[in-house]
Amino acid sequence: QSALTQPRSVSGSPGQSVTISCTGTSSDIGGYNYVSWYQQHPGKVPKLMIYDVNKRPSGVPDRFSGSKSGNTASLTISGLQAEDEADYYCCSYAGTNTFEVFGGGTKLTVL
Amino acid sequence: QVQLQESGPGLVKASETLSLTCTVSGYSISSGYYWGWIRQPPGKGLECIGSIYQSGTTNYSPSLKSRVTISVDTSKNQFSLKLNSVTAADTAVYYCARRRTAVFDFWGQGTMVTVSS
Repeated sequence: QSALTQPRSVSGSPGQSVTISCTGTSSDIGGYNYVSWYQQHPGKVPKLMIYDVNKRPSGVPDRFSGSKSGNTASLTISGLQAEDEADYYCCSYAGTNTFEVFGGGTKLTVL
Repeated sequence: QVQLQESGPGLVKASETLSLTCTVSGYSISSGYYWGWIRQPPGKGLECIGSIYQSGTTNYSPSLKSRVTISVDTSKNQFSLKLNSVTAADTAVYYCARRRTAVFDFWGQGTMVTVSS
């Protein structure tokens, strides 16, 4: 069982927006502004999409955005494209004993 | 561009020690950042194993701490993972990555390690 809870799957049609939630506790998501999101296509290496809750690395389209409210972080993908179909994982800092924890992953299907 | 490459045996016998090395190019480990290990069992999610700073300071996942050792060799620009007393549950793709707080920005290609009985 993962430390952070994500929906197993979400879906959307091309051009639509989808939001993936990531729920933790006050000991991780709620306690720090250190949340990141990773995209992983089948058989590929995870790719950093969002860090520090809402920052995008260079090269990541601005269709990807992150936010946080209380113990829940969210990744929103607007203007869905076929290539966005992948697994998405959230990650949060959880203090000096646990360090980082990941969510169980969400499979995004573009219909 | 920072590049990382894992190396080590792809098959380990149960109860023995898994040993992997990550070679970093395009960036000197001595320049900073933590350097970490993450694993992904087949069909499952990502799990942090631990990480190390250039100075040798380490941090480990509480669930694996009793079996894990991460070390660094700055002269070779490499860091290594040892996981002892392995079982089938340790079968996974093992990734090395550059880490700062909750950010893994550069990853290796991953190496599949199977624990055999």
